Amino acid sequence: GQQLNQSPQSMFIQEGEDVSMNCTSSSIFNTWLWYKQDPGEGPVLLIALYKAGELTSNGRLTAQFGITRKDSFLNISASIPSDVGIYFCAGRAGGGNKLTFGTGTQLKVEL
Amino acid sequence: NAGVTQTPKFQVLKTGQSMTLQCAQDMNHEYMSWYRQDPGMGLRLIHYSVGAGITDQGEVPNGYNVSRSTTEDFPLRLLSAAPSQTSVYFCASIRRQGGYTGELFFGEGSRLTVL
Repeated sequence: GQQLNQSPQSMFIQEGEDVSMNCTSSSIFNTWLWYKQDPGEGPVLLIALYKAGELTSNGRLTAQFGITRKDSFLNISASIPSDVGIYFCAGRAGGGNKLTFGTGTQLKVEL
Repeated sequence: NAGVTQTPKFQVLKTGQSMTLQCAQDMNHEYMSWYRQDPGMGLRLIHYSVGAGITDQGEVPNGYNVSRSTTEDFPLRLLSAAPSQTSVYFCASIRRQGGYTGELFFGEGSRLTVL
């Protein structure tokens, strides 16, 4: 089946730093989604991308749908303690509803 | 508006026992699905349903059954629990917006331990 490689797997950053993470696919997707999961909670949608090259922001978060349609990037600017959690990318190919999820990037913020 | 509600939140089973994880949504979403989350493996699709009376298998369906008798409910049944089914289970649903499939809304999860 389709695979999504998400990197980095985990990262420690200083409060105030910018963060970048990415997902790459072995095949083309027509939708890219970024979710955040807080401890003990379900994932919550952060940003949805539907067109190649699309750049979308949500507050301090910015995500891009790669031109090749095989990758996506998420940037967090000026990180704060509440940014800690696991960030998942997810992609959808074709017209169906099934999503393929990345393995997650665990973000930890040092005060 | 409760969104996606999962019960129970925690459950401990013995090997061979059966149980049902309940999922209900009040958003009139057509599509519902079950995922399991294991460390280092992200979220993997177990079963899904595109509407009442219709279900299909996902990536890891073995050992699980589902049914969709109403739009609101999508229970997941473990027929004979095994330690490999120890995981966190998430129910999720999708709404449709125009020509696009909408965003996946997740429940809070059900943590299952099989001894």
